Amino acid sequence: AQSVTQPDIHITVSEGASLELRCNYSYGATPYLFWYVQSPGQGLQLLLKYFSGDTLVQGIKGFEAEFKRSQSSFNLRKPSVHWSDAAEYFCFMTTDSWGKLQFGAGTQVVVTP
Amino acid sequence: DTEVTQTPKHLVMGMTNKKSLKCEQHMGHRAMYWYKQKAKKPPELMFVYSYEKLSINESVPSRFSPECPNSSLLNLHLHALQPEDSALYLCASSQTLGETQYFGPGTRLLVL
Repeated sequence: AQSVTQPDIHITVSEGASLELRCNYSYGATPYLFWYVQSPGQGLQLLLKYFSGDTLVQGIKGFEAEFKRSQSSFNLRKPSVHWSDAAEYFCFMTTDSWGKLQFGAGTQVVVTP
Repeated sequence: DTEVTQTPKHLVMGMTNKKSLKCEQHMGHRAMYWYKQKAKKPPELMFVYSYEKLSINESVPSRFSPECPNSSLLNLHLHALQPEDSALYLCASSQTLGETQYFGPGTRLLVL
């Protein structure tokens, strides 16, 4: 069965420190993977996506993610977080055969001074 | 322009009311989606339209009735809702099914 797992429900990070959010997927072939960010009460903003090709993907706001087929992972990273990065982050998967859409449970990021 | 607009921003309705949520995009996208999101949870897919035809209905109760009058517009008609239907309702669109989805800001619905 297809699934997306975000193991960390909540992460606290100091401003200026690096951030890594984990996402693992389960699917028999290569999925389409996305990271979205949601500020409180807002819609979802696309940070980056992976369909195929280069496994290191650059996104907006200084984020990047790396697709690792061997680990079934698509982890999101940022070298230095800003207070404005505090938000909920969702990993999302679709497939080329229009399988079921899957959101991860989300990771709440808190940024401390 | 990757903007999806939703109206209204907020809606309060009683359990006997009939109301509608509206979603619009002018990106030429041919797939449009309705999601429901409860607090601290990921969005849950409700309906998907592809080329103005309903493609997916995720076993949503009939008190929610989607409509896609044209390729730019998506409505969600609400009738006889329950308090547990209170949530953020998100609309999204994509070029075609399975492509990158762009989300609107959502409608915050409160059912009393």
